[in-house]
Amino acid sequence: SQTIHQWPATLVQPVGSPLSLECTVEGTSNPNLYWYRQAAGRGLQLLFYSVGIGQISSEVPQNLSASRPQDRQFILSSKKLLLSDSGFYLCAWSVLFGTSGGDNTGELFFGEGSRLTVL
Amino acid sequence: AQSVTQLDSQVPVFEEAPVELRCNYSSSVSVYLFWYVQYPNQGLQLLLKYLSGSTLVKGINGFEAEFNKSQTSFHLRKPSVHISDTAEYFCAVSENLGGYNKLIFGAGTRLAVHP
Repeated sequence: SQTIHQWPATLVQPVGSPLSLECTVEGTSNPNLYWYRQAAGRGLQLLFYSVGIGQISSEVPQNLSASRPQDRQFILSSKKLLLSDSGFYLCAWSVLFGTSGGDNTGELFFGEGSRLTVL
Repeated sequence: AQSVTQLDSQVPVFEEAPVELRCNYSSSVSVYLFWYVQYPNQGLQLLLKYLSGSTLVKGINGFEAEFNKSQTSFHLRKPSVHISDTAEYFCAVSENLGGYNKLIFGAGTRLAVHP
């Protein structure tokens, strides 16, 4: 079966420090990968998605970047954190659209989340 | 582009009472619809999904939802809630972007079950 893990689960960082959140998926190949953010009391905001290694699309301009160095690894980074980067970050995967025999509905499978507090 | 409206940001209810969480989406073309639940400090878990066929969809934890194409609604219901159902619930619709399906989420409904 497929699993998705992200870490660290909790992170407290000072303003101006770098960030690296990592996400890995097991049990599937060529997934679509996503990073979402939830700010306090707000809904889900899609930050980045990736349809393959090295292919990253950004949904909103921001202080963050994403990379996909391997098929099932997705990394969220920042060189200098801002207070507004605080939030709950969620990694997710879905079946690659058009995959033969796959579920092409767009259904997402989420990781456990990473809570980032920037002080 | 698709959009999803969850009409209630918060729903308080007493234990063992019925509950309905409302969701409307913007398009009447063929869509895939989902309800996710998020417990505090956890990721989102799929409750149920509508892909095609019967308009009444049953999910986990006793929840069900009814797809209504004419009203572009996908309301979530449970006949008798428990304290453990306290969580945030997200409705989502899948949008086809030409070779890529993207989930559009509503703003969420916080369900608070009181004893």
